[in-house]
Amino acid sequence: KNEVEQSPQNLTAQEGEFITINCSYSVGISALHWLQQHPGGGIVSLFMLSSGKKKHGRLIATINIQEKHSSLHITASHPRDSAVYICAVGPGAQKLVFGQGTRLTINP
Amino acid sequence: EADIYQTPRYLVIGTGKKITLECSQTMGHDKMYWYQQDPGMELHLIHYSYGVNSTEKGDLSSESTVSRIRTEHFPLTLESARPSHTSQYLCASNVGVPDTQYFGPGTRLTVL
Repeated sequence: KNEVEQSPQNLTAQEGEFITINCSYSVGISALHWLQQHPGGGIVSLFMLSSGKKKHGRLIATINIQEKHSSLHITASHPRDSAVYICAVGPGAQKLVFGQGTRLTINP
Repeated sequence: EADIYQTPRYLVIGTGKKITLECSQTMGHDKMYWYQQDPGMELHLIHYSYGVNSTEKGDLSSESTVSRIRTEHFPLTLESARPSHTSQYLCASNVGVPDTQYFGPGTRLTVL
């Protein structure tokens, strides 16, 4: 069993739908990261959080430390949101452990 | 936008060649990382550095080597490339504990 598990692995939705991607982890962490990877391969950091909730535009990330679970939500999804979303956790000293990613496709 | 650069972006080479993948950042970050990512798979840490003259191997065994002579520069070298090295290599950097990591655009390597 991987230390970081994401679900679903693949998600296809229609434009405008509310999207939820889940991440569960089994290690103690100092922070959890949500990353976005576009087809060209480049990775952008979306959020880093260690408690509670963060919002940036249409993106919302939550984390429940007790349950070792985080969710990434996208409201009013758009085709340009199509990407692979990656959850990564930092057990402490900088090194990140990555989930396998969730491939999101938003159809117009 | 993060100021972290990787060259080349794409590289196709023959078996046995020596190659160096370049990574540089202009943010003054002490900590830098190399990740390897096979298509559709998760990233794996292969090397990291917490500062000049400091390098460590990551969680995934790799035949590559790295050096950190200057803060801004963290090159990765393969002495003799093999088809099993075909992958994407991503460089990242950050500052504190914890801190968001900034990723370069990646180098997609194909070894024939």
